[in-house]
Amino acid sequence: DVKVTQSSRYLVKRTGEKVFLECVQDMDHENMFWYRQDPGLGLRLIYFSYDVKMKEKGDIPEGYSVSREKKERFSLILESASTNQTSMYLCASSRTEVSYNEQFFGPGTRLTVL
Amino acid sequence: QQQVKQSPQSLIVQKGGISIINCAYENTAFDYFPWYQQFPGKGPALLIAIRPDVSEKKEGRFTISFNKSAKQFSLHIMDSQPGDSATYFCAATPMNTGFQKLVFGTGTRLLVSP
Repeated sequence: DVKVTQSSRYLVKRTGEKVFLECVQDMDHENMFWYRQDPGLGLRLIYFSYDVKMKEKGDIPEGYSVSREKKERFSLILESASTNQTSMYLCASSRTEVSYNEQFFGPGTRLTVL
Repeated sequence: QQQVKQSPQSLIVQKGGISIINCAYENTAFDYFPWYQQFPGKGPALLIAIRPDVSEKKEGRFTISFNKSAKQFSLHIMDSQPGDSATYFCAATPMNTGFQKLVFGTGTRLLVSP
């Protein structure tokens, strides 16, 4: 069974803290994605990676960075958390096949920055 | 910049009724249009998808209608059930990217009343 896991379901951090969100997939997928989900704004892409050590900016990369040292793991880093980064963060993965486009999502991490 | 516009934001339908969610896009390079379904506490999951070479795709009670000239597509849920209560996201992507970078709509929260 396809699986994307995220390290925490809920996280509370203080302004200025460095925050790590971890995502692991067990499907040997090439592509991995980080989204944030906010009411009324849908899912917005922060960063994605199509291979180990490769990363591309999404639509809202400001204030975030990512790391992909192993194929199965994709980390999202908030260097200095701010209150406007309070959100639901979703990780996803997919295979690189032109005709096969399904993204598999993890359950999400609800981050609150105080 | 919202490239995929989704409406309505929320929808209440009686059990047995038809739920209709609409999406519109501007980018003519989009050629793959999936719908994702998200239950509370879960990540989104692929529900049904369509390519623009057909005007309709049906899977059980779920149907996508696609109007290429109008650049619109919609999800119809026939005989809606309380178990269909979820948030629905339309999305679009150009198939030739290889990275499956999806652009999501803002989401529709559907409540099917018993």
